[in-house]
Amino acid sequence: AQSVSQHNHHVILSEAASLELGCNYSYGGTVNLFWYVQYPGQHLQLLLKYFSGDPLVKGIKGFEAEFIKSKFSFNLRKPSVQWSDTAEYFCAVNARGGTALIFGKGTTLSVSS
Amino acid sequence: NAGVTQTPKFQVLKTGQSMTLQCAQDMNHEYMSWYRQDPGMGLRLIHYSVGAGITDQGEVPNGYNVSRSTTEDFPLRLLSAAPSQTSVYFCASSYSSSGSGTGELFFGEGSRLTVL
Repeated sequence: AQSVSQHNHHVILSEAASLELGCNYSYGGTVNLFWYVQYPGQHLQLLLKYFSGDPLVKGIKGFEAEFIKSKFSFNLRKPSVQWSDTAEYFCAVNARGGTALIFGKGTTLSVSS
Repeated sequence: NAGVTQTPKFQVLKTGQSMTLQCAQDMNHEYMSWYRQDPGMGLRLIHYSVGAGITDQGEVPNGYNVSRSTTEDFPLRLLSAAPSQTSVYFCASSYSSSGSGTGELFFGEGSRLTVL
């Protein structure tokens, strides 16, 4: 069965600091990978996704993620965070040809101004 | 374009009561799913459907029933509510093409359920 592991439960940063959130998945086949963001009191929104091609994908609001197949990883990065990036971030994986999207437990990001 | 609509947004139940969370989407998506979100647990898949008349269990299906009689609707039924089912429930849908998985999920705004 697929599983997703997010390494950090809670990350606290100051504005302008760089961000990297770890995500590893366990599945031996081809996968689709996603990062979703949930701002306080809101539902989940897609941040970025990887299906195939360039392993470095760019999403909204300056976020990017790199797929490293050999490490089964899909880490999320942002060079300079803003207070408005305070949110919960979820990594998710779907086996290619499968039907279920499995989420990690999430990482809460708190950015202080 | 309404997207994914969930009702009710808030509900309080007593242990043993039954209820149905409604979910409707107007994007003609084949794939629909229900998740529950609990602190420190992320989102866990309860049930999903790849099309009308087809449903399957996710990670935590016990205590929940679903049906998919139309493409648009995917209700989630709690048969006999328990305090452990206190959670925030999200319905989500996506376009699903054969062989490419679920694709991007579009989420409803959530239903907060409290079971006393």
